[in-house]
Amino acid sequence: GAGVSQSPSNKVTEKGKDVELRCDPISGHTALYWYRQSLGQGLEFLIYFQGNSAPDKSGLPSDRFSAERTGGSVSTLTIQRTQQEDSAVYLCASSLAGTGNNQPQHFGDGTRLSIL
Amino acid sequence: EDQVTQSPEALRLQEGESSSLNCSYTVSGLRGLFWYRQDPGKGPEFLFTLYSAGEEKEKERLKATLTKKESFLHITAPKPEDSATYLCATEGNTPLVFGKGTRLSVIA
Repeated sequence: GAGVSQSPSNKVTEKGKDVELRCDPISGHTALYWYRQSLGQGLEFLIYFQGNSAPDKSGLPSDRFSAERTGGSVSTLTIQRTQQEDSAVYLCASSLAGTGNNQPQHFGDGTRLSIL
Repeated sequence: EDQVTQSPEALRLQEGESSSLNCSYTVSGLRGLFWYRQDPGKGPEFLFTLYSAGEEKEKERLKATLTKKESFLHITAPKPEDSATYLCATEGNTPLVFGKGTRLSVIA
């Protein structure tokens, strides 16, 4: 079955480098979400896309973080000048409709990012 | 600010020993409460959505209930394969707010 696909599954990089994380949502899902999960912490909301627009990017922790979505499908989360505190699992989810429509979000298995 | 608190943080059960996990929430305009299961190294897997107080949903050994202030996930006669972290999340006027989860271990 075609679930949410994320790549790479693991990424190790040096402090100061830029990284790009990719998310391929379930076909037909208009809403896409990015979360960050650190050890011992809950899922932290980063950004929400409805189609190609991002009506809520309130969770992005700094201007080093950005995301885009093209063609209403694939999304890329970019972290510039990575810092050690950026180490976490980055999870992507998609749903049939956006926030406020009670549609469950379906998650990928995440990208484990380690900053050396 | 919307908040979700789950308890206990960790729970260890013998196989067949029933118990409940708690999710307490404060949300402006609750639209839905979601339960997820997360296995190590995997993303959360959707279990249930509850919309209004008094509602109940069941799936195999799991039953979720909802009141105006909390939700319970009841696990009846658990098996080792039920071992996972169970996450609760609420949707109000903002995107999902997650609790930190309850890590369940079921020992054979």
